[in-house]
Amino acid sequence: AQKITQTQPGMFVQEKEAVTLDCTYDTSDQSYGLFWYKQPSSGEMIFLIYQGSYDEQNATEGRYSLNFQKARKSANLVISASQLGDSAMYFCAMRGTSGSARQLTFGSGTQLTVLP
Amino acid sequence: GAGVSQSPSNKVTEKGKDVELRCDPISGHTALYWYRQRLGQGLEFLIYFQGNSAPDKSGLPSDRFSAERTGESVSTLTIQRTQQEDSAVYLCASSSRPDNTEAFFGQGTRLTVV
Repeated sequence: AQKITQTQPGMFVQEKEAVTLDCTYDTSDQSYGLFWYKQPSSGEMIFLIYQGSYDEQNATEGRYSLNFQKARKSANLVISASQLGDSAMYFCAMRGTSGSARQLTFGSGTQLTVLP
Repeated sequence: GAGVSQSPSNKVTEKGKDVELRCDPISGHTALYWYRQRLGQGLEFLIYFQGNSAPDKSGLPSDRFSAERTGESVSTLTIQRTQQEDSAVYLCASSSRPDNTEAFFGQGTRLTVV
């Protein structure tokens, strides 16, 4: 079985500063994908960034980057230059490629609040 | 349509009644997921469909829950004899390949059992 752990239930960051949201995972699959989603108070799930287990470069999408450390099984999300609109719940997720690991498994989430 | 569509957006039902929730995935997406999200909590996996393969039902919490999908199109999640603890937002997502692409989510159905 695969598992995602997000140990920070809540985080605060000053506007314009960078913030790192932690995510560790556990899987027996050799090939897997890691994802981050944002869920604002409106409830929609917004895809942010993807990292493949065989990708050598860390993924980046605008102000979002994923600090992928495969040996440590961590996939932390870094948000640079935080904006007030970044305040939301952030979920880390993973999907393997074999059997039941193909389901998309989510962590418990981190509530990020950006302070003016 | 352009995105994943779920209906109804809101449903209030009396305890003991059956409800049916619908999900229209993005056209061509072979994978479809159902999740439950209770207020202030994370996403709880319910069921996963991949093409014509047997669905992964390992997340269904009880035999009151069932889901169907016809080919690679619409899916329905049915909850029989609803209980108050079934109150939650039910989210559907679809993706184009089973491994390394993101899943796109619908807006969810907010179910309230009174």
